[in-house]
Amino acid sequence: GENVEQHPSTLSVQEGDSAVIKCTYSDSASNYFPWYKQELGKRPQLIIDIRSNVGEKKDQRIAVTLNKTAKHFSLHITETQPEDSAVYFCAAYLSWKLTFGTGTRLQVTL
Amino acid sequence: EPEVTQTPSHQVTQMGQEVILRCVPISNHLYFYWYRQILGQKVEFLVSFYNNEISEKSEIFDDQFSVERPDGSNFTLKIRSTKLEDSAMYFCASNFGAGRFDTYEQYFGPGTRLTVT
Repeated sequence: GENVEQHPSTLSVQEGDSAVIKCTYSDSASNYFPWYKQELGKRPQLIIDIRSNVGEKKDQRIAVTLNKTAKHFSLHITETQPEDSAVYFCAAYLSWKLTFGTGTRLQVTL
Repeated sequence: EPEVTQTPSHQVTQMGQEVILRCVPISNHLYFYWYRQILGQKVEFLVSFYNNEISEKSEIFDDQFSVERPDGSNFTLKIRSTKLEDSAMYFCASNFGAGRFDTYEQYFGPGTRLTVT
C-alpha cells in the first residue's frame, strides 16, 4: 500500500519568514496530493491540493510543488503569520483512500 | 456552505461496549469515508464506502468495525466491542466521487472523540 513520509516533524520560524514542509510517497499511481492544516481539537482543513498532471500550484501565500519522477511534493508558506501556527499534514490519494503523512508542527514566533 | 456533521462530539464508553458514531455527509456527495486520529498522531484511513458497499478498507478496519448507510442521509460507524486502543478522534468525510478528476477533495466533519475506559 501507499506510504507517505513527512519532514520535518517540527518547524519553528520567525514571523515573516518562509516555511517549507516536504513529503515523499511510495506508489507512483497516487494521483492527488492535498495538504491539510489542523488546529488543536479541530478537523483537518484543506489548504491546497495538487493533481498528478500539474507540477506547481499557488494560492496567495501558499504553494505546492510536485515532482512525480522523484515522488515528492512540498508545501511552501511565505510571509508566515502567527495564525499559520498549526499542524500540517500532507496526504496522497490512491484507490478511494487518502494516506496521510505524520504531520509537521509549525510554530511561527513573533 | 454545506458541511459534514457528526454526532456525538464526545462519546465515553466502557471497554467491551458497542458504540455507533453518526455522520451526515454533504447531501449530493456519493463517496463516504471514516478516518481516525489517535491523540498526537497522524490521521489514519479506516474505510471508504460507495453505492452501499465498502470500496476500500484498512488493516485497522477488522471484524469489530462495520459501516452502514441506513437511510438517505446518515452514515454510521459501529464498533462492536470497544477496546482501550479504540480511543481516538473519528472523522467522517465525503466527496462527490473518486472517478472524476475534479472532485477528489474530501470534506471532513468535526469529529467524534471516543474515549474507552
